[in-house]
Amino acid sequence: AQSVSQHNHHVILSEAASLELGCNYSYGGTVNLFWYVQYPGQHLQLLLKYFSGDPLVKGIKGFEAEFIKSKFSFNLRKPSVQWSDTAEYFCAVWDNYGQNFVFGPGTRLSVLP
Amino acid sequence: DSGVTQTPKHLITATGQRVTLRCSPRSGDLSVYWYQQSLDQGLQFLIQYYNGEERAKGNILERFSAQQFPDLHSELNLSSLELGDSALYFCASSSRGGEQFFGPGTRLTVL
Repeated sequence: AQSVSQHNHHVILSEAASLELGCNYSYGGTVNLFWYVQYPGQHLQLLLKYFSGDPLVKGIKGFEAEFIKSKFSFNLRKPSVQWSDTAEYFCAVWDNYGQNFVFGPGTRLSVLP
Repeated sequence: DSGVTQTPKHLITATGQRVTLRCSPRSGDLSVYWYQQSLDQGLQFLIQYYNGEERAKGNILERFSAQQFPDLHSELNLSSLELGDSALYFCASSSRGGEQFFGPGTRLTVL
């Protein structure tokens, strides 16, 4: 079965630092990839998605992600984080073979002012 | 606003009781997913329905059940509640293969 791993459980950064959150899924085939964000006390919101085409995907709030098929990875990046980016970030995969949606365990990001 | 609605927002009940959580998906979405989010377990997928039929099952306890009705709204039934069932329960809907849109959640507190 498809599984999703996220490299870090908790990341702490200062404002203006660059961010990269790792995400790997377990096997290939046709997948759709997503990053969601959950701000404190709120529900999950979509940051960006990849279905096909340009492997560098731009999302909302200055986030981007790069799909590297050979590495089964879909890492999230932001060049300069803000305090308001403090949240939990979830990577997710839609597996077209298994027809199921799998979330990673999440990475908590704390940005210090 | 994602277009997914969940009721109630908060629910406080006692151990051993039964509750029903309700979810209305976005207009046109056929898939409904249920998740449980707690501090110790994180975001856990419970179950998925597609156009009224169960499509996938995750870490759903036997005390829990769900269904999706002809109008596509879904209900999650939790019975014989235990303290450990206290959590946020999210519903999400999606079109086939597309991103999931999450509702605001129901916070369940079992005393």
